[in-house]
Amino acid sequence: IAGITQAPTSQILAAGRRMTLRCTQDMRHNAMYWYRQDLGLGLRLIHYSNTAGTTGKGEVPDGYSVSRANTDDFPLTLASAVPSQTSVYFCASSDEGADGYTFGSGTRLTVV
Amino acid sequence: SQQGEEDPQALSIQEGENATMNCSYKTSINNLQWYRQNSGRGLVHLILIRSNEREKHSGRLRVTLDTSKKSSSLLITASRAADTASYFCAPGQYSGAGSYQLTFGKGTKLSVIP
Repeated sequence: IAGITQAPTSQILAAGRRMTLRCTQDMRHNAMYWYRQDLGLGLRLIHYSNTAGTTGKGEVPDGYSVSRANTDDFPLTLASAVPSQTSVYFCASSDEGADGYTFGSGTRLTVV
Repeated sequence: SQQGEEDPQALSIQEGENATMNCSYKTSINNLQWYRQNSGRGLVHLILIRSNEREKHSGRLRVTLDTSKKSSSLLITASRAADTASYFCAPGQYSGAGSYQLTFGKGTKLSVIP
């Protein structure tokens, strides 16, 4: 089934640990995005990539890094997790020919 | 910020009634999109309306866009219990390389009572 796969589905992480959230798409979309969703705050853009080899900062990039080595993968890394990074993280993709974004099912991350 | 703001924050209706959700935004856009999110799931794209369009239909959905007022509305007709979800509007701006960035509001939580 074409779409976006995110892993893990959920994770409890000790503060200070490094963590990489994985995102893979099989639609050959050019653009990919990472959002976090917090209660009362809606979805906020963390980082994006318009095409393989390029990345950009969104609204809340601090504490996160991304890479886009190829079209399909867009991992999000928390170098040293803090409790305020407890959230649900969504990866999404889009392309010029597509009508909208395709979202993954999310990763629920708890930093303790 | 381009962020859309949905109104109302919550809406409760009886099955069979129509549901209307509104969205306002602040600056010029290339398109505006509506998404649905069921509890604990990812967002699902419902409909896109371009800045040069005023109205668009898709099944039981009707979207309007008024760029002079920087506002949009989503109408769901003959609602069903399965329409219970949060609905988000997302103003879109072209960001190059064939892609555009969306900024999401906090959503309208719709409850359809059987």
